[in-house]
Amino acid sequence: EPEVTQTPSHQVTQMGQEVILRCVPISNHLYFYWYRQILGQKVEFLVSFYNNEISEKSEIFDDQFSVERPDGSNFTLKIRSTKLEDSAMYFCASRTGTRTYNEQFFGPGTRLTVL
Amino acid sequence: KNEVEQSPQNLTAQEGEFITINCSYSVGISALHWLQQHPGGGIVSLFMLSSGKKKHGRLIATINIQEKHSSLHITASHPRDSAVYICAVSKAYSGAGSYQLTFGKGTKLSVIP
Repeated sequence: EPEVTQTPSHQVTQMGQEVILRCVPISNHLYFYWYRQILGQKVEFLVSFYNNEISEKSEIFDDQFSVERPDGSNFTLKIRSTKLEDSAMYFCASRTGTRTYNEQFFGPGTRLTVL
Repeated sequence: KNEVEQSPQNLTAQEGEFITINCSYSVGISALHWLQQHPGGGIVSLFMLSSGKKKHGRLIATINIQEKHSSLHITASHPRDSAVYICAVSKAYSGAGSYQLTFGKGTKLSVIP
């Protein structure tokens, strides 16, 4: 069964460093999402991506964040200069994007630890 | 105020018990999702509902659109059901929208043998 994959599973970085989190969505899906979950808190929406551009973004998704679909299969989230408060689990999700709304499929997550 | 509220926050049950987790929301929605989050952190979609009721194995999800309320039921609970159950909604849009999810805080379920 097709699944969303994410790499790495765990990333440790120093404050101020750039990190890139990678996701491979399900191949025929058209909408892509990044969510994050700070330890002990609820999952929060960061950004959605469709047709090679950002569709919507939350207040969290400031200038330190960027997303890209560089090669038609990978979907990346870049944090330019990490802060301690960026430590969280980051989930990628995708859905087919047909005319009717449909289910989102989640990746296993990347745990980001900023020291 | 949270747009998605779940209750209870924590739930401990004996194996075999019937379990109900509730979700209320305050916005117009296109669909409501029930998700399961395992201790390792991964999220699995259980149900997506826009009306009525769905059943999958021992899991049943219902939604009342007029009352903006949904329930997740687990029959004959088992220790392997222990997880965090999350209610999430995709808001209704009048035009094009990306239908991102808005999440509740989750209900931590522990089923004791």
